[in-house]
Amino acid sequence: RKEVEQDPGPFNVPEGATVAFNCTYSNSASQSFFWYRQDCRKEPKLLMSVYSSGNEDGRFTAQLNRASQYISLLIRDSKLSDSATYLCVVAGGGATNKLIFGTGTLLAVQP
Amino acid sequence: NAGVTQTPKFQVLKTGQSMTLQCAQDMNHEYMSWYRQDPGMGLRLIHYSVGAGITDQGEVPNGYNVSRSTTEDFPLRLLSAAPSQTSVYFCASSGTGGRPEQFFGPGTRLTVL
Repeated sequence: RKEVEQDPGPFNVPEGATVAFNCTYSNSASQSFFWYRQDCRKEPKLLMSVYSSGNEDGRFTAQLNRASQYISLLIRDSKLSDSATYLCVVAGGGATNKLIFGTGTLLAVQP
Repeated sequence: NAGVTQTPKFQVLKTGQSMTLQCAQDMNHEYMSWYRQDPGMGLRLIHYSVGAGITDQGEVPNGYNVSRSTTEDFPLRLLSAAPSQTSVYFCASSGTGGRPEQFFGPGTRLTVL
């Protein structure tokens, strides 16, 4: 089993749609969770950190379910500019800052 | 505000050549790391450092060396390039104190012929 698993997609949605991405992780000791966004041929950029049960930033909502070892990202009112790959990332636990990356979910927002 | 910088942006090597990928950060971050990204594989950790003078291996360290003589710089050396090392390489850094969010450089696209 992979340490961090995501549906690779692609998710093709029309502008204005609501889309949700799911992610599961295997290490129950993990304490920190993140969503990164990666545009084609660019570096990953931090979208949201999730330190408690979840948080919201504008059109983006992240939720964490520790019991089920499950993280989600909800994007409301999708924009063309939201088209990218979304990476689910888990801090591996322990004393280091090591991050474990999912392989990413590709989102394509259609006009 | 430079953040994390990487050079070169692109590089083509022949099998057996060696080279150094440069990485620098100006955020006074203690933690720095190198990843490679291949299609369908996600980002895989090559080496990391928790501070100057301290380095450790990640998931895929073979064929790569690192050193950390200063807080700012964390170069990655390819000892004898192989076609399997064709990839995109990202350097990242983060602070300590319980906030492991990492910030990435723009990447180096390496092709080994």
